[in-house]
Amino acid sequence: AQTVTQSQPEMSVQEAETVTLSCTYDTSESNYYLFWYKQPPSRQMILVIRQEAYKQQNATENRFSVNFQKAAKSFSLKISDSQLGDTAMYFCAFKKTGTASKLTFGTGTRLQVTL
Amino acid sequence: GAVVSQHPSRVICKSGTSVKIECRSLDFQATTMFWYRQFPKKSLMLMATSNEGSKATYEQGVEKDKFLINHASLTLSTLTVTSAHPEDSSFYICSARVPGQGVYEQFFGPGTRLTVL
Repeated sequence: AQTVTQSQPEMSVQEAETVTLSCTYDTSESNYYLFWYKQPPSRQMILVIRQEAYKQQNATENRFSVNFQKAAKSFSLKISDSQLGDTAMYFCAFKKTGTASKLTFGTGTRLQVTL
Repeated sequence: GAVVSQHPSRVICKSGTSVKIECRSLDFQATTMFWYRQFPKKSLMLMATSNEGSKATYEQGVEKDKFLINHASLTLSTLTVTSAHPEDSSFYICSARVPGQGVYEQFFGPGTRLTVL
């Protein structure tokens, strides 16, 4: 079974600064997908960024980028130029390849962006 | 992006009653939907995978007679919490996989907060 670990329950960052959220996972699969989801106070889950394990290049979406280290089974999220609207719970998630496979979520990191 | 709705957004019921939660894909057909449960300040726990026209696949430890799932059409899945008790109070979230959009994308509904008195 796959496990996803987020070791930072809470983090805080000042507006316009950069913050990195950590995620590690454990799997025996060689190919899989990794995701970061954001859950703001509205509770609506929003996909932030995704990474295919077979791709060496780190994914980037505007201010959000990942540092994917496959050998270390590490998948951290970097948020640049933090904005107040980034305040949310962030969940790292893992998915095996295959259309029927499910998402396995980490325990989440609560990020607070302050003035 | 694809839109998934849930109804109701919140419900309060008495212990012993049954509650039905609907999950709809608004602009696409979803052959597969997922039901999650989220406790306060906790992560999402997958309860079951709902497949259109067939029986749902439940995760270990989830009582299928307690949490009835029906996926009768390509745009609607329902979760019925039968004989609800206070310990069933939680936030329930559904998601749907979009066919043809790659095998990795799930779109989430806004969730339903269930409170059992």
